[in-house]
Amino acid sequence: QVQLVESGGGLVKPGGSLRLSCAASGFTFSDYYMSWIRQAPGKGLEWVSYISSSSSYTNYADSVKGRFTISRDNAKNSLYLQMNSLRAEDTAVYYCARGEGADYWGQGTLVTVSS
Amino acid sequence: NFMLTQPHSVSESPGKTVTISCTRSSGSIASNYVQWYQQRPGSAPTTVIYEDNQRPSGVPDRFSGSIDSSSNSASLTISGLKTEDEADYYCQSYDSAGVFGGGTKLTVL
Repeated sequence: QVQLVESGGGLVKPGGSLRLSCAASGFTFSDYYMSWIRQAPGKGLEWVSYISSSSSYTNYADSVKGRFTISRDNAKNSLYLQMNSLRAEDTAVYYCARGEGADYWGQGTLVTVSS
Repeated sequence: NFMLTQPHSVSESPGKTVTISCTRSSGSIASNYVQWYQQRPGSAPTTVIYEDNQRPSGVPDRFSGSIDSSSNSASLTISGLKTEDEADYYCQSYDSAGVFGGGTKLTVL
């Protein structure tokens, strides 16, 4: 069965950095685009970024462009999100999901940006 | 990029049918697949409809999806409502970037 497990969340000060990871299993990871999606407390879902199966294509929401970098390691079945210059408004649960259409989701990891 | 607009909330009684709309602001709704997700409080979203009208295994056939080019919108219809269907529902589509609707809170009372 498809499993996605995020890790790396936590409390960070404004301006700080954090790297999220997503461990995938139960499917051929290298065949799929992968996405990061976030949800601020009490708010709706916001698409953050996605990456093509071979890493040749990436795209980002305007709100994170230039600060966040998505990457993947197909040999390790892993997806990453490097988050720099974090702001209070980046506080959210971050989900990784399979495909541009996000057919399977992980349980999420909470990122809190606060001084 | 385009936006997807959903009603903020809908409510209906158990056993009835409810339809949640998702209207695309620009470009054709048929240009890109639409997905629908259910999110119960405290849980991650799960897919109830993908590629406009496909149901993942394990999702009851009470859930159905459609698109309407005349109104440039997608719809999620849930028939035979159960109290367990009470949740937030989000539509999503993508082209060069992903787009989510604002979500609809379904109350089954």
